[in-house]
Amino acid sequence: RKEVEQDPGPFNVPEGATVAFNCTYSNSASQSFFWYRQDCRKEPKLLMSVYSSGNEDGRFTAQLNRASQYISLLIRDSKLSDSATYLCVVNHPANSGGSNYKLTFGKGTLLTVNP
Amino acid sequence: GAGVSQSPRYKVAKRGQDVALRCDPISGHVSLFWYQQALGQGPEFLTYFQNEAQLDKSGLPSDRFFAERPEGSVSTLKIQRTQQEDSAVYLCASSPLAPGNSPLHFGNGTRLTVT
Repeated sequence: RKEVEQDPGPFNVPEGATVAFNCTYSNSASQSFFWYRQDCRKEPKLLMSVYSSGNEDGRFTAQLNRASQYISLLIRDSKLSDSATYLCVVNHPANSGGSNYKLTFGKGTLLTVNP
Repeated sequence: GAGVSQSPRYKVAKRGQDVALRCDPISGHVSLFWYQQALGQGPEFLTYFQNEAQLDKSGLPSDRFFAERPEGSVSTLKIQRTQQEDSAVYLCASSPLAPGNSPLHFGNGTRLTVT
């Protein structure tokens, strides 16, 4: 089983829609979680960290469910500029052991917001 | 201030040729990561440095891949005897702290095409 799995997508939604992405992770010892955004042919950029209690940043809400080992991202009132690939990132113990952790990315979910 | 800088931006190599990709992280950043991103996929972890120490190289796909960061700042990813399957975007990222404790800052990437 892959360390991080995301909704396959793609998602095509009209402007103003609400859209949600889910991501599951396999290692229960995973420590921290993030959503990154990647525009076409650009580098990934941090969108938001995901905190245990859930957190909100404007139209974006991130949630963590440790019991079920998934994280989610909700985008409300979507804008054309939200069109991008959304990458789930999990910080988990490295297979190499010791105290090393590594950041593993999901495959990403492509969102297109249409006028 | 200056972000993560990668060079070259684009590299075309003939199969069997050796290539070297350079990453200049943000000054003072302790952690440095290399990721490989194939078209339509999320970034795949290659290797991680904490200062000059390579703490995790579990993602390097074969012994043709080698990375170094001798003085704890600039890093080079070398690929020997390139193969077509090595064609991808190679992303470098740095962060001021250990993995997961601070966001990753990515460079623009080097797009490698092996013909």
